Amino acid sequence: GENVEQHPSTLSVQEGDSAVIKCTYSDSASNYFPWYKQELGKGPQLIIDIRSNVGEKKDQRIAVTLNKTAKHFSLHITETQPEDSAVYFCASTGGAAGNKLTFGGGTRVLVKP
Amino acid sequence: NAGVMQNPRHLVRRRGQEARLRCSPMKGHSHVYWYRQLPEEGLKFMVYLQKENIIDESGMPKERFSAEFPKEGPSILRIQQVVRGDSAAYFCASSPGLAGVKGADTQYFGPGTRLTVL
Repeated sequence: GENVEQHPSTLSVQEGDSAVIKCTYSDSASNYFPWYKQELGKGPQLIIDIRSNVGEKKDQRIAVTLNKTAKHFSLHITETQPEDSAVYFCASTGGAAGNKLTFGGGTRVLVKP
Repeated sequence: NAGVMQNPRHLVRRRGQEARLRCSPMKGHSHVYWYRQLPEEGLKFMVYLQKENIIDESGMPKERFSAEFPKEGPSILRIQQVVRGDSAAYFCASSPGLAGVKGADTQYFGPGTRLTVL
């Protein structure tokens, strides 16, 4: 089945700097890649997603890039703020997995004021 | 527009008891998914349901676990004879599921039910 690897597992950045999280997937037929932010004690919140027919998508300070050939996608957060501190998960779906999401292991981001 | 609702938010059970977790999808959503998150880990898929049908239960343990999504009412995840290893956060997600519609597969998560087995 699909396998999603996520790096790094923890990321500490200074407020105002950029944060980058990278994920790789194994099923070349996967076609939808969402990113979720999870704060302590809460459910995952969708922050941005990208489909396989698009190479890049941006929403204010957040951007996602997708390289289908290399089977990897990345989340970029610019001008980080303390409220960006959370655990971020990448996921993939489609292909042999059907509609179910396969998640990466998560990245704990800490933005230091 | 209310999001995905789950209850209870916290559930404590003793070993051998039954746990029932409920999920009401977002308004207009007909597809429900259940995921389990062990402490300090990512989310793992359990089961995917549409109204009155189980579509994919490949992530569900073969014994003690069952799920349903009846024509009326919330989706239920049932765990019989709970063991300590069942302690986890259980999340429900829903999607519109409208064939051919952009975003029909986008999943929105509820706040989760945190199950503790004593």
